[in-house]
This record gives sequence, C-alpha cells and structure tokens, in this order.
Amino acid sequence: EPEVTQTPSHQVTQMGQEVILRCVPISNHLYFYWYRQILGQKVEFLVSFYNNEISEKSEIFDDQFSVERPDGSNFTLKIRSTKLEDSAMYFCASSEAREGEKLFFGSGTQLSVL
Amino acid sequence: GQQLNQSPQSMFIQEGEDVSMNCTSSSIFNTWLWYKQEPGEGPVLLIALYKAGELTSNGRLTAQFGITRKDSFLNISASIPSDVGIYFCAGQRSNAGGTSYGKLTFGQGTILTVHP
Repeated sequence: EPEVTQTPSHQVTQMGQEVILRCVPISNHLYFYWYRQILGQKVEFLVSFYNNEISEKSEIFDDQFSVERPDGSNFTLKIRSTKLEDSAMYFCASSEAREGEKLFFGSGTQLSVL
Repeated sequence: GQQLNQSPQSMFIQEGEDVSMNCTSSSIFNTWLWYKQEPGEGPVLLIALYKAGELTSNGRLTAQFGITRKDSFLNISASIPSDVGIYFCAGQRSNAGGTSYGKLTFGQGTILTVHP
C-alpha cells in the first residue's frame, strides 16, 4: 500500500541551526501538508501546498519556516534558525484531491533542539 | 480559532467491551475524520465523514457526523488489545473563499487502554 515516507526519523540540532525535514508524498497525490505535534499535545496544522505554492499557513508558520518541492517526488520543510520551542514531531501528509480531504500521514520526524 | 473538544481524555477498559468517544465544536465542520495514532507513528485514518447525519462503519468501528455538523462520535465494539492507542477526531471546514485544503483541526485525543 502506498505510504508517505519521512526522513530522518529523528533529528537532533543545536539552537540557531537550520534543519531540513524531508518527505516523499504518495505518488499520485497533489496536495501536501506539514503538521507538528509537541509532546503530549494535539496535532497542529502548519502549512498546505498545492501547485507549487502555499495554499494556507497557520500562525505557527512564520518566516523562519519554508517549504519546497524541489523535484517531482520530494517535499521539504526548512526551519531557518531553530528555537527550543521548535522541538516536536513533524508530520508530512498528502491527499489525492481537494474533495474529501482524506489526508494520509507519514510516521514523522522527531526534532529535538538543544 | 476553531477548537475541538474531545472526550473522554482517557479510557481504561477490558477486552471485549465497547468504547465510545466524541468530539464537539462551537464551529461547523464540513468533514470529520477519525484517526488512530500509535507510539512513534503518524496518525492513521480510520473513518472519514462528509455529510451531516452520515453513519459510517469500518469493521468494528462506527462513526457518525452530527446533524448540527458540530459534533461526531466514534464507537469501537468488542475491543481487543490492539485497539490500544490515541484516537483523534479532526474537522475540516471551508474558509470564506470556499477552500481550506487539508487544514485539519484536531481534538486533544482519547488515550485508549485495553486490558486483556
């Protein structure tokens, strides 16, 4: 069964460093998303991406964050200068079509900022 | 912002028992989704609901989209140990422009523990 793949599974970084989280969405999907989950809390929307541009973003997604689809298969989230409070599990998701909004999530990247 | 209140926060049940959990919101949602999350994994979609009043089953799971479009429930019948996990409801609504691609609002989750 097709799945969303995320790498790395764990990322440890120093505060102020840049990190890039990588995702390979399901191949025939057109919509891509990043969500995050701080330990013990609910899953929060960060950004949605369609047709090579951001469709919607939350207030969490400030100018330290950026997303890119550098080729036909990868979808990345970059945090320019990490802060301690960026420590969280980051989930990539994709969906086939706007209608129905069935999102399929990857297993996540656990980001730890020290 | 949109808030989903999910209850109960946690449940400890015996294998074989039925389980019920629900989500309520002050806002109307166009779509309700129920996900299950296991430790170290991403949320896995269980059931998707698209119409007010819709009742949908997936094996031992049954979910309903409330008539008011402000609530949904999930039932699990005859629970088994592998039902253990965190169950999240998630709602999606269109913005003023009629689109809100994939912006799901999640509930706080219900932690389910099943004792053999």
